[in-house]
Amino acid sequence: KAGVTQTPRYLIKTRGQQVTLSCSPISGHRSVSWYQQTPGQGLQFLFEYFSETQRNKGNFPGRFSGRQFSNSRSEMNVSTLELGDSALYLCASSLRGPNTEAFFGQGTRLTVV
Amino acid sequence: QQQVKQSPQSLIVQKGGISIINCAYENTAFDYFPWYQQFPGKGPALLIAIRPDVSEKKEGRFTISFNKSAKQFSLHIMDSQPGDSATYFCAAIFNFGNEKLTFGTGTRLTIIP
Repeated sequence: KAGVTQTPRYLIKTRGQQVTLSCSPISGHRSVSWYQQTPGQGLQFLFEYFSETQRNKGNFPGRFSGRQFSNSRSEMNVSTLELGDSALYLCASSLRGPNTEAFFGQGTRLTVV
Repeated sequence: QQQVKQSPQSLIVQKGGISIINCAYENTAFDYFPWYQQFPGKGPALLIAIRPDVSEKKEGRFTISFNKSAKQFSLHIMDSQPGDSATYFCAAIFNFGNEKLTFGTGTRLTIIP
């Protein structure tokens, strides 16, 4: 069965712009989580969606937002990009939540210049 | 109370040897402990996971040992191979009400011939 698909794989944006990243979970999975990975901070939780509802949110500014659609696909948006937003953004899907098996996509590498 | 501490930061093991990575947690409400393996340019891949009602779980060359009273768990890779060279992350999550994985800081494992 197909894995978690994230698009695009790479993005270069200018400071101040906004960006939208997409995640298609494994078929049948209803939970989608987003994480930011940087060399300095490691893997940091952004938010988790289940059946179109945000169930949990990490400690990130309001510039980071997300949503989930009825087909479980999810998008995250970052507005007013800062240099420090450069990171690998990872999406994980699971059947009911990350306390069951969570499978990660390959990530979107965002570079802000 | 949300932290998961992982050590060592990097590890070099000879081919055929045993690689051991340790993690410790503080919050006793954590009740699911997965390990992830990540290769450069890829997302983390679920390797093996354990719940606190068992003290050990083995899958092939990978074993998790869990010490509930000490709030510690470790990953053992037996007969380590060059293909095991990757970064390994331990993680922890509550069963209810907190749908986020809390990750350790990662261990870069290098297997030398």
